[in-house]
Amino acid sequence: DIQMTQSPSSLSVSIGDRVTITCRASQAIRHDLGWYQQKPGKAPRRLIYAASNLDSGVPSRFSGSGSGTEFTLTISSLQPEDFATYYCLQHNSLPLTFGGGTKVEIK
Amino acid sequence: QVQLQESGPRLVKPSQTLSLTCSVSGITVRSGSYYWSWVRQPAGKGLEWLGRIFASGSATYNPSLKSRVTISLDRTKNEFSLKLNSVTAADTAIYFCARDDKVGFDLWGQGALVAVSS
Repeated sequence: DIQMTQSPSSLSVSIGDRVTITCRASQAIRHDLGWYQQKPGKAPRRLIYAASNLDSGVPSRFSGSGSGTEFTLTISSLQPEDFATYYCLQHNSLPLTFGGGTKVEIK
Repeated sequence: QVQLQESGPRLVKPSQTLSLTCSVSGITVRSGSYYWSWVRQPAGKGLEWLGRIFASGSATYNPSLKSRVTISLDRTKNEFSLKLNSVTAADTAIYFCARDDKVGFDLWGQGALVAVSS
């Protein structure tokens, strides 16, 4: 199985801050990675697919980058509705595997 | 508008079989553009992919479940189902059905909390 190591596991930030979350894969996965946002009591929502492509309706303050084994999700200016838990998912090989999650909290 | 909706018993006894169905509306499960997956999340924990099925009926499972899981497709009802047998308390979780557009999960059901308890 491909292990996805996500960091940090949590972070406290203020409105307007730039946020960077990293996911590292235990082996190369090309660009086969997505980023998901989950709010309490809700299903996850995909933000980014194929490492850097924004899903429809996702604000442009979200961006993704990386390839191979290291990937980054960036929120350029955090908004109140962005406080949530974020997960990466690799779909390069089965079984599909998620990172452990990053909880973004209010400072 | 495409929607997915989980249904099934919310309480299952240990050693018995957990059964959930995902009803799909707005698109046919016979579409060759998608896989249909199940994902679960224990309370306060991360996400685990359980398996998926294609329109052909071919299914693939997460080996971590050690052959306890079966996913099936009902084309006439436009739904797909999950069965997880020999459940224990460790299987208590929110179970999500999701559509896989081959670059991840682009659409999710709202989730069904299933508790395993006697």
